[in-house]
Amino acid sequence: DGGITQSPKYLFRKEGQNVTLSCEQNLNHDAMYWYRQDPGQGLRLIYYSQIVNDFQKGDIAEGYSVSREKKESFPLTVTSAQKNPTAFYLCASSPSGQSSLGANYEQYFGPGTRLTVT
Amino acid sequence: KNQVEQSPQSLIILEGKNCTLQCNYTVSPFSNLRWYKQDTGRGPVSLTIMTFSENTKSNGRYTATLDADTKQSSLHITASQLSDSASYICVVSASGTYKYIFGTGTRLKVLA
Repeated sequence: DGGITQSPKYLFRKEGQNVTLSCEQNLNHDAMYWYRQDPGQGLRLIYYSQIVNDFQKGDIAEGYSVSREKKESFPLTVTSAQKNPTAFYLCASSPSGQSSLGANYEQYFGPGTRLTVT
Repeated sequence: KNQVEQSPQSLIILEGKNCTLQCNYTVSPFSNLRWYKQDTGRGPVSLTIMTFSENTKSNGRYTATLDADTKQSSLHITASQLSDSASYICVVSASGTYKYIFGTGTRLKVLA
């Protein structure tokens, strides 16, 4: 069964604690992404990775960290430095990270993790 | 600035009726435009994807149109069903970048 899995679906943490969200894909995709979704806002890019052992900051990387040691896995750590960590987090992957004219690289999304920090 | 704006913000229709959602973008240089459906608490699922040379693309009861000159797209839903209740997100990607620009979505509610 191919696809992207995220775990857990719901996560609760105390303020000041780091927490790691899991994202795994078996689609053999090179590129992986982490987004944050807040009510009334479009998805915002946190980090993305085009290839193993390489990743780039997105628009809202402060307070987050990632690693890409394996092609299939792209975990996201929400650190205590993130001021407003409560949100819905979505992981996505695509065959390639490069968006070029005429290319139709599809992004496939995982089911999401809802993180609540109190 | 690359932006994607969607309207209306929310919409309520009766089952069986048609509706059209709008997407205006200022992304340049344009590569492609996607429409996604997102059920509450779930990840988005792709409905259609169009490049600049495509004017219309259908996926069952969903038909997307693209006018690259005016930088507008629409998603038309025919004979709506209760299961169409969801958020519909327009996403545009620019050539030569690794980023996708997301609209804020239109929340559709279909009533019996």
